[in-house]
Amino acid sequence: AQSVTQLGSHVSVSEGALVLLRCNYSSSVPPYLFWYVQYPNQGLQLLLKYTSAATLVKGINGFEAEFKKSETSFHLTKPSAHMSDAAEYFCAVSSNQAGTALIFGKGTTLSVSS
Amino acid sequence: GAVVSQHPSRVICKSGTSVKIECRSLDFQATTMFWYRQFPKQSLMLMATSNEGSKATYEQGVEKDKFLINHASLTLSTLTVTSAHPEDSSFYICSAPISGRAHEQYFGPGTRLTVT
Repeated sequence: AQSVTQLGSHVSVSEGALVLLRCNYSSSVPPYLFWYVQYPNQGLQLLLKYTSAATLVKGINGFEAEFKKSETSFHLTKPSAHMSDAAEYFCAVSSNQAGTALIFGKGTTLSVSS
Repeated sequence: GAVVSQHPSRVICKSGTSVKIECRSLDFQATTMFWYRQFPKQSLMLMATSNEGSKATYEQGVEKDKFLINHASLTLSTLTVTSAHPEDSSFYICSAPISGRAHEQYFGPGTRLTVT
């Protein structure tokens, strides 16, 4: 069975500050890990994904995440927050087997203040 | 990248009626599609796995007689919410993986269902 835990349902940062959104996973098989962003009343947008290649993954909009097997973590970071980053962020896990669904964490709401 | 569409994007129906939501993979074939439900300010919960040419697999707690899934072709899966009630109001999202590539999965834009 697979699961993800997102620590902190709500994170607030100032514009220009570091963004750190935490995700820990549990998986009995080698995982694939994903970060998605969702703006109000919209669908999901893929930020980045880990698929067993490089452990440091760079995504869109300046986000990156590092896969740490020893810590079972896949935290999302951005050096400098922008107002437009305010949204809901979801970490998700799947197995590396074709045809498996993504299992999502509960989400973290990111607020950015000026 | 690949595109998955959903129709309609929004639907309002009266309590007791049925609503059909379509999920299409526009430029690839999908033998499997997934249906998720998202309540306001909550996460996506997997409802069921739709398999082309065979019965869908439902997650625990999801009523298969209420949420009918049909995957009649390699590019189309439908979710029918039967005898809808206000508590079925939610955001329904489908996804489709590229066959053989577990990490290549594409999400539809979602369907907002409101039951009055």
